[in-house]
Amino acid sequence: AQSVTQLDSQVPVFEEAPVELRCNYSSSVSVYLFWYVQYPNQGLQLLLKYLSGSTLVKGINGFEAEFNKSQTSFHLRKPSVHISDTAEYFCAVQRGQGGSEKLVFGKGTKLTVNP
Amino acid sequence: KAGVTQTPRYLIKTRGQQVTLSCSPISGHRSVSWYQQTPGQGLQFLFEYFSETQRNKGNFPGRFSGRQFSNSRSEMNVSTLELGDSALYLCASRTGEGTETQYFGPGTRLLVL
Repeated sequence: AQSVTQLDSQVPVFEEAPVELRCNYSSSVSVYLFWYVQYPNQGLQLLLKYLSGSTLVKGINGFEAEFNKSQTSFHLRKPSVHISDTAEYFCAVQRGQGGSEKLVFGKGTKLTVNP
Repeated sequence: KAGVTQTPRYLIKTRGQQVTLSCSPISGHRSVSWYQQTPGQGLQFLFEYFSETQRNKGNFPGRFSGRQFSNSRSEMNVSTLELGDSALYLCASRTGEGTETQYFGPGTRLLVL
């Protein structure tokens, strides 16, 4: 079975500062990795995903993440955050077999960007 | 293309009642998955339907059930509601083949009193 640990439940930062949201996963098989964002009273929006290939993945809104197989991590980064990035961020893993595999989510990290 | 739509957006029920939630996937998507989101347990997978068949199931009691129609629209039903069923219920659609992105709807917030 797969599991995901998001190491920080809350991350406060100031506007224009860099941010890193940490995600570690556990799996005995190959996996695909995802980061989703949830704004208040909304569903989930995909930020980026890693399926294969380059370990540095770029997503929307200036976010990027790096897949590190040896450390089983998939940390999300942004060099300069905006107030509008305030939201909850979820890391998710899916077994790398394709088709019907479900997403397994971490508990989420609430990012608060202060002026 | 229109996104995933869910109805109703908000719902208040009392213990013991049953509820039906609806999800309309993106046009052309044949797979619909349902997730429950609560502050304590986070996001948990309920089940996935593909071409009217349940393809995958999470670890929820039999009170939670679903179905999918020939137009790919899906419904989930919760019978004999408990207070702990209060949650945001999210559905997600995808084409259903390969590991493509799941697109989420805005959710239905269910409050059980």
